[in-house]
Amino acid sequence: NAGVTQTPKFQVLKTGQSMTLQCAQDMNHEYMSWYRQDPGMGLRLIHYSVGAGITDQGEVPNGYNVSRSTTEDFPLRLLSAAPSQTSVYFCASSYFPGLAGSTGELFFGEGSRLTVL
Amino acid sequence: GIQVEQSPPDLILQEGANSTLRCNFSDSVNNLQWFHQNPWGQLINLFYIPSGTKQNGRLSATTVATERYSLLYISSSQTTDSGVYFCAVDRERDDKIIFGKGTRLHILP
Repeated sequence: NAGVTQTPKFQVLKTGQSMTLQCAQDMNHEYMSWYRQDPGMGLRLIHYSVGAGITDQGEVPNGYNVSRSTTEDFPLRLLSAAPSQTSVYFCASSYFPGLAGSTGELFFGEGSRLTVL
Repeated sequence: GIQVEQSPPDLILQEGANSTLRCNFSDSVNNLQWFHQNPWGQLINLFYIPSGTKQNGRLSATTVATERYSLLYISSSQTTDSGVYFCAVDRERDDKIIFGKGTRLHILP
């Protein structure tokens, strides 16, 4: 059971380049989300999805796009990378929080370290 | 948006000591979770605890939702307990899971 898989683990970009961080889960979770972690800031929510075809903005959505065409996959796109997007990115998934009988326990991938020069 | 405040921000203890970490939140929540981030960056779910008390070995957690706080207790600390502890809440009004800034715990041998 792979859980939540993120790729790539490391990436270096130049300012203005685009890229996609991939996230896949094999637990049939409805809920998926992306966070960024910066020193002293904890984890900040970028975007989240409560099911295929449904996405919404988190706390820091600017500069990022997401889509959810399948239950399993939730890619995060940087259209024009900026140095301020240098960070560690985490994808997470869970059963839908609040559903009767659902624990809503959040599972994380191992993270993707992105550096924008 | 909801404010999630954790205290203390940093804690240094000798091995064998006990500790209490606190998480305060400013709005009604559906659930609350505690996580441990180890020195290698992995985030592990410790407790899913919207209310009441749960125990898992040397760790226990209590959430008092009506008073908008949760406590994480670590007893007989070990060096492997070092890392950052986060609480995260799911607001009632939407499905955003918001994290606090964490408590960094150093356990000295």
